[in-house]
Amino acid sequence: EPEVTQTPSHQVTQMGQEVILRCVPISNHLYFYWYRQILGQKVEFLVSFYNNEISEKSEIFDDQFSVERPDGSNFTLKIRSTKLEDSAMYFCASSDQLGGEQYFGPGTRLTVT
Amino acid sequence: AQSVTQLGSHVSVSEGALVLLRCNYSSSVPPYLFWYVQYPNQGLQLLLKYTTGATLVKGINGFEAEFKKSETSFHLTKPSAHMSDAAEYFCAVRSNTGNQFYFGTGTSLTVIP
Repeated sequence: EPEVTQTPSHQVTQMGQEVILRCVPISNHLYFYWYRQILGQKVEFLVSFYNNEISEKSEIFDDQFSVERPDGSNFTLKIRSTKLEDSAMYFCASSDQLGGEQYFGPGTRLTVT
Repeated sequence: AQSVTQLGSHVSVSEGALVLLRCNYSSSVPPYLFWYVQYPNQGLQLLLKYTTGATLVKGINGFEAEFKKSETSFHLTKPSAHMSDAAEYFCAVRSNTGNQFYFGTGTSLTVIP
């Protein structure tokens, strides 16, 4: 069964460093998403992406964040200058239609020290 | 705006007993509701969803949920718990735009042998 994959599974970085989290959505999906979950808290929406542009973003998704689909398969989340509070599990998801079921990846655990 | 509330961050049941995980939603439009399950070190997997039509929805692994508009609830049930059901369960509601899901804080299910 097709699945969303994410790399790395765990990323440790120092405060102020840039990180790029990578996702490979399901191949025929057109809608892509990033969510995060701070330990012990809700899964929170960050951004949705369709047709090579952001379709919606939350207030969490400030100028430090950016997303990109650099090629036909990858979907990346970049954090330019990480802060301690960016430590969280980051989930990528994809769907084949707007509002349809979102398929989630296993997540990348980001630890900022 | 949409939101979901999951009552009980931890639920323990004996193997073979009824599983009941509670979810209440808030939505300004007819909701699309979802239950996801997360096994350790894995991504979020869709258990079931309600969009329109029949209010009793059956999902994978013997789970089902009933949409009750009058109670603004979408509780998840399973008649007989199995050890393999131990996981984190998340209720979610889709946004008006369809671009994001709003998740609850999750309920950790423990099954006691």
